[in-house]
Amino acid sequence: EVQLLESGGGLVQPGGSLRLSCAASGFTFSSCTMRWIRQAPGKGLEWVSAIRGSGESTYYADSVKGRFTISRDNSKNTVYLEMNSLRADDTAVYYCLCTTMTTGGQGTQVTVSS
Amino acid sequence: QSALTQPASVSGSPGQSITISCTGTSSDVGRYDYVSWYQQHPGKAPKIMIYDVNNRPSGVSSRFSGSKSGNTASLTISGLQTEDEADYYCDSYTSSNTRVFGGGTKLTVL
Repeated sequence: EVQLLESGGGLVQPGGSLRLSCAASGFTFSSCTMRWIRQAPGKGLEWVSAIRGSGESTYYADSVKGRFTISRDNSKNTVYLEMNSLRADDTAVYYCLCTTMTTGGQGTQVTVSS
Repeated sequence: QSALTQPASVSGSPGQSITISCTGTSSDVGRYDYVSWYQQHPGKAPKIMIYDVNNRPSGVSSRFSGSKSGNTASLTISGLQTEDEADYYCDSYTSSNTRVFGGGTKLTVL
C-alpha cells in the first residue's frame, strides 16, 4: 500500500525554523520526483518545492527561495523541507506528493505566529 | 508568475460529462506538457488525478482524462458520479523552473 506521512509541523514564531519530513512506503521512492505544496486557511493550493528522484535537481517557488531547502534520503525513503526565516504568510497545511502517483500525505500544519 | 485561470465553478448531473479548463500562457501551459490536475474533497488532502497533461496515476478511474490545446489544458470527467463533487486544481511547469497553480474549480454534481 502506498503511503506518505508528513510530520514536523507546529507553531513557530516569525523568523523561526522548522523541518518537515515526509516518509514514503509502498513504492519505489527513488524513482519519484517529490513535490511539496501548501494550502493556507481558506485558500487554494500553492506549489512550494520539488526534488528529482536522485536529488540532483531542486526547484523552489519564488516565495520561499533562499529560505526553504528541499532534500531527500533515498535510503530512508524520506523527503525533507527545511524552512527558515518563517513568516506569517507561510502558515498553511503542507502536503507532500509523488508527481506520478495519486496518493498523497494527509498534511502537516505549520503556524507562524507570535 | 501569474496563476493559471480556471472557472470558479462547474456543475453537472450524474452520468453526464463535464470539462474544466485551465488557461495559462506560452511560458507555462503552452510550452510544456507538464500539466497536473488535483482533486480535493472538503477537509481532505489533494490527490493527483492527471499528470503530464494526459497521464492517469495507477488507481485513478478512466473516467478522468486530460488534454491540452495551445495555452489551455482541460480535465474531462465522464459518467459523473456524486463522489466526484470536489475542488479541482490544475498546475503547470513554467519557464522559470517553477510550477504555478490555477485558482481552483468547484465541481457540483446536481
